[in-house]
Formats: sequence, structure tokens, C-alpha cells
Amino acid sequence: DAKTTQPPSMDCAEGRAANLPCNHSTISGNEYVYWYRQIHSQGPQYIIHGLKNNETNEMASLIITEDRKSSTLILPHATLRDTAVYYCIVGYSTLTFGKGTMLLVSP
Amino acid sequence: GAVVSQHPSRVICKSGTSVKIECRSLDFQATTMFWYRQFPKKSLMLMATSNEGSKATYEQGVEKDKFLINHASLTLSTLTVTSAHPEDSSFYICSAVDKYWNTIYFGEGSWLTVV
Repeated sequence: DAKTTQPPSMDCAEGRAANLPCNHSTISGNEYVYWYRQIHSQGPQYIIHGLKNNETNEMASLIITEDRKSSTLILPHATLRDTAVYYCIVGYSTLTFGKGTMLLVSP
Repeated sequence: GAVVSQHPSRVICKSGTSVKIECRSLDFQATTMFWYRQFPKKSLMLMATSNEGSKATYEQGVEKDKFLINHASLTLSTLTVTSAHPEDSSFYICSAVDKYWNTIYFGEGSWLTVV
């Protein structure tokens, strides 16, 4: 079973920041938080991952709470091409996918 | 660019035949590879985990004799669907990770249609 809880869908206006929440209250000490996204009929695309500290790369930022029980993926300036299903996954050696969040970016 | 490549991206086969899907890591040596299956509008379901040079570990409910997984080299894993049935039609996706457990990358996926 997936160890994460995400809202099933979210909307975002183009150019605005998209903040995608994820709850993972049963995360273990050595488990990472991974974020992937999947555009229809394609393999999942890696976005970012972290253990304790906040992380930032060219695609997004990952904010992990101090107790590590939740995190937020931030897409700073969403574009139409960011419309996808976003998966938050916690794990170390095996990634178990939940249902994800369908993010719809509109003009 | 892609660091994990799958081939073929789409395949149609007849019932009763076998079909092989390849998963290659392009930029690194993948000590562990994973195979997933995805039905339309559903999430990815882990089928098996394979480590180079050893037998694959299958998830509960996945028939190991039907879904043969081979991980003979550090850059290649194959999934063979044997005696294919129409219900085996699905989107199959692999992922790979190196021995340092850096980022886990996924392939582009392979659509299998059994007619």
C-alpha cells in the first residue's frame, strides 16, 4: 500500500506557483521523499527528492516539514506543459505509487 | 535526455505467443531494475524487482512463470510475457537505479496489445 496521501486533483493558473501537498505520516527514518510526474501515456519523469532538508533544482522545490510527516512540491511558474499526474512517494529501495494528484494548469 | 530506454515502445502480438520488452540504462550501471504495470487511468503497480545476476523478486499475485524477468547485465533487463492473453494488454514500465541508490529513473514505457 502507498504510504502517502495526496489530493486527487488541483488547478493552477498558468504563470502562478503550483503547490502540491503530500502527507506521509508513517515515513521511516531512512526513507526518502520522491516526486515524479506522469504525462499521459509516458513513463514517470523524475522531479526531485529529499531526505530531511529542503531541496531545489531547475524544475521545482521540495519543502519537507521538520517532523518529515508531510511535504510540498512547488512548481514556481506553472506552464501548460506542467499538466500531469504528480506522484509523491516515500521509500528507499522500492517505490510504491499511490494515486497521485492530477494537476491541471489553465491559461 | 532519457537515461533509461525501453524497447519496443509499442507492440502487438497474437494470443498464445510470447513477447519480450527490453529495458536499458544508458548512462549508468543499473544494479537494480524494477518492472511496473499500469492499466488505463490507474497508478503504477510494481510487478517485480530484479538485481543483476540474481533471480527477480516478484510481488504477491504476479505470476513469475508468465512474466519472466532477466537481468543478465548491468545495463539490460528484459521482461518476457509468455503465452500472452488479451488481459495481459497493458502499459509496462521499467525503472533503474545504480548501486549508490541515486535517483531512480523510469523508462518511457511499452504498450502491449494482445489480440
